[in-house]
This record gives sequence, C-alpha cells and structure tokens, in this order.
Amino acid sequence: QKEVEQDPGPLSVPEGAIVSLNCTYSNSAFQYFMWYRQYSRKGPELLMYTYSSGNKEDGRFTAQVDKSSKYISLFIRDSQPSDSATYLCAMSASSYGKLTFGQGTILTVHP
Amino acid sequence: DAGVIQSPRHEVTEMGQEVTLRCKPISGHDYLFWYRQTMMRGLELLIYFNNNVPIDDSGMPEDRFSAKMPNASFSTLKIQPSEPRDSAVYFCASRKQGNQPQHFGDGTRLSIL
Repeated sequence: QKEVEQDPGPLSVPEGAIVSLNCTYSNSAFQYFMWYRQYSRKGPELLMYTYSSGNKEDGRFTAQVDKSSKYISLFIRDSQPSDSATYLCAMSASSYGKLTFGQGTILTVHP
Repeated sequence: DAGVIQSPRHEVTEMGQEVTLRCKPISGHDYLFWYRQTMMRGLELLIYFNNNVPIDDSGMPEDRFSAKMPNASFSTLKIQPSEPRDSAVYFCASRKQGNQPQHFGDGTRLSIL
C-alpha cells in the first residue's frame, strides 16, 4: 500500500462548479501538507501549504487537514477553465524532510 | 528572480548511451531535489542535497544512476548506461533552509529508445 493515496481521476466539471480533491495517507508522522498544481509540460507549483490539522483559505482555494482521519482535501470554488491541471497532494514529517507525493488528480473545467 | 533552470528540456537517445541532466537551483536555496515522474509511479524523489552534500539517495533506482552537486549553483543527474524504462520526466527542485516550500523547474522529458 502506498503511503499517500490520491484518486487519479480524471475529473471533469463545468465552469463555476465546486471541486473537491482528496488524499488519504497512512504515515501518522506527517505534519506538513501541501497541494501543488501542475500544468501540462510544466513543473509542479505550490498552491497551498498547511501545518497540522485545520483549514486554510486563499481566494477560491481552501485546504483542509484532518489528521485524526489521515485525510486532506482541497476545495476549489467557482472553478475556471484556467484551473484545468493536475493537482498533487504532498506531505512530510518535518519542515526540512523529503516530500511524499500522491499520484495526482487530473482536473478539467469546461466552459 | 529566475526560477529553477533545467537543461535540456527534451532528450531522446538510444539505450546504452550516457545521459546527463542539469539543474541550476534558485540562488540562495540550500536544498536541491531530483525527482522522476511517470504515469505509473507518479512523482518519486530520487535524491536530495543540503548545502551540496547528498543527504538521502535511497530513491535512486540502481547504480546506473548518479548525482552530483559540485557547487551551490549546479547539479547533475547522470544515467549510464540508459535503458528504455528510464524514460520519464525528471524534475529538479530547490528550497531555502527552514519551513520553506520547494520550487520546481519545468523538467527534462527523457526518452530512451
């Protein structure tokens, strides 16, 4: 079993929809949780960064971490075609440690 | 500031050849990471350096792979001899010391025929 599980999708939604992306993990030592967005033929770029449990909001994006359930989520409100990309969750046990990535979810937002 | 710069962007070569991938991290960053991304396995960490010193190379698939960081502004990932199963996109990332996020380059798309 992989340390981090992420549904690869693909996920296709209409413009304006609320998108929910999720990851589960098995390593209880993970404390730092990230979401990266990767456009086609580009490197991943950091979207959200949270420490431990709780919520974090940035514009149309909200990240949630539930350490008791070992479950993290990314919500995208009012989704736009420009949000079409692969979304990768990532996590680590320490601020200086290596990241473990999920498989990535391919999202398409159609006009 | 310039981001992480990788070269070449694309590489196509025949199996058995030596392949060298290059990375220039963001100036002032203390950590450098090499990743490999495939459809089957996703994004996997191969090796990372702190202040030019290799810290964890447990992700390097086998002895055919080697990485060096001769100075703070340059790193190489070498595959010798290359095999078709090495075909993937290889990413380099860097970050500052402390609780800082990683910044990725745009990768090298490697095809071994």
